[in-house]
Amino acid sequence: DAVMTQSPLSLPVTLGQPASISCRSSQSLVHSDGNTYLNWFQQRPGQSPRRLIYKVSNRDSGVPDRFSGSGSGTDFTLKISRVEAEDVGIYYCMQGTVWPPGFGQGTKVEIK
Amino acid sequence: EVQLVESGGGLVQPGGSLTLSCAASGFTFRSYWMHWVRQAPGKGLVWVSRINGDGSTTNYADSVKGRFTISRDNAENTLYLQMNSLRAEDTALYYCVRDLQWLGGDYWGQGTLVTVSS
Repeated sequence: DAVMTQSPLSLPVTLGQPASISCRSSQSLVHSDGNTYLNWFQQRPGQSPRRLIYKVSNRDSGVPDRFSGSGSGTDFTLKISRVEAEDVGIYYCMQGTVWPPGFGQGTKVEIK
Repeated sequence: EVQLVESGGGLVQPGGSLTLSCAASGFTFRSYWMHWVRQAPGKGLVWVSRINGDGSTTNYADSVKGRFTISRDNAENTLYLQMNSLRAEDTALYYCVRDLQWLGGDYWGQGTLVTVSS
């Protein structure tokens, strides 16, 4: 299994300031088909998870461009350029390359 | 518009059974892998099971293997999760997710809550 480790687990941020979440895999997430199946989800309080980023860096439709994903191999990052109040929630990375699919522990983003 | 609507959750005693349903609409259901993901109260997301488009391939997390059965009815656009021998640790919100692995879980249902308690 690929173990997904996120850091930090708690991230207090000042409104308007940047935020960065790290996600590291115990195995390379480069699939034999050449794709890297690493995705990011946002879960606002009381809501279902919502995908923000797929295959490392592709932003979903409707996702503000302040969200960006980067990385390769085993190290990945989700960045929020300027945190807004609506960004409060828990963020999960998830890999689909290595069987079975797996999620990171989640990073709780809150406003200072 | 893609919609996934789960139902069937509830309170069940340890050792009991429950069947969850997920009604899909807005896309060609039979063309997609479907997954179940669960979230225990206050905890993170955990993959549970998956099934391919025609129902011929199924996989399970070790924690539910032998107790849970995933299935689908493509004529009714519905995904199922039959859960037997339920344990307290199965208590969670269960989400139906479209193609978590290859499409990255682009659509999720609202979840249905299963509580296993005496």
